[in-house]
Amino acid sequence: GAVVSQHPSRVICKSGTSVKIECRSLDFQATTMFWYRQFPKKSLMLMATSNEGSKATYEQGVEKDKFLINHASLTLSTLTVTSAHPEDSSFYICSAVEGGLEKLFFGSGTQLSVL
Amino acid sequence: AQSVTQLDSQVPVFEEAPVELRCNYSSSVSVYLFWYVQYPNQGLQLLLKYLSGSTLVKGINGFEAEFNKSQTSFHLRKPSVHISDTAEYFCAVSVGGAQKLVFGQGTRLTINP
Repeated sequence: GAVVSQHPSRVICKSGTSVKIECRSLDFQATTMFWYRQFPKKSLMLMATSNEGSKATYEQGVEKDKFLINHASLTLSTLTVTSAHPEDSSFYICSAVEGGLEKLFFGSGTQLSVL
Repeated sequence: AQSVTQLDSQVPVFEEAPVELRCNYSSSVSVYLFWYVQYPNQGLQLLLKYLSGSTLVKGINGFEAEFNKSQTSFHLRKPSVHISDTAEYFCAVSVGGAQKLVFGQGTRLTINP
């Protein structure tokens, strides 16, 4: 079946550095990808919607200059957390869609810890 | 705006007992409903989904859910749980065919021997 690969699965970085997270659709072309953030023991909050070849659409309250999203191809979207701070520590999950809701898949998530 | 409410943050049950995890949504337009399971430090795995057709949906691992439009509910059930079902369960809704999902707060299912 369709697989969405997310890398890295875990990253620890120093405060002030930038971290890039990749989301790849392995056997289908993802017209749209989504980025979610999950706080400990909390639900998933949608951060942004990423469409191939166009600018991402950010949800209210999400800093677009802080969380840079690039969807350069139909199989790859990246989320870059710029100048990371401890409050950015969280679990980030991507999802990818090929066509309609019948083909919506989630990545395995990335645990970001900022020291 | 649409919302999803999972009424129970934690549900402890004994092994081989039945379980129901409750989910209610608020929307005045057509919805598509999902249940996902999340094991510790992992992503989301789709259990089942309702897009159209029969209101009783069967999913993986012996789970099923019933879409009740009049009660705006999509409760998840399993007749006999196993230790391996211990996980966090999320109900999610898509409104009007939108591909982005709105998630409930999650229910922590704990199976005791």
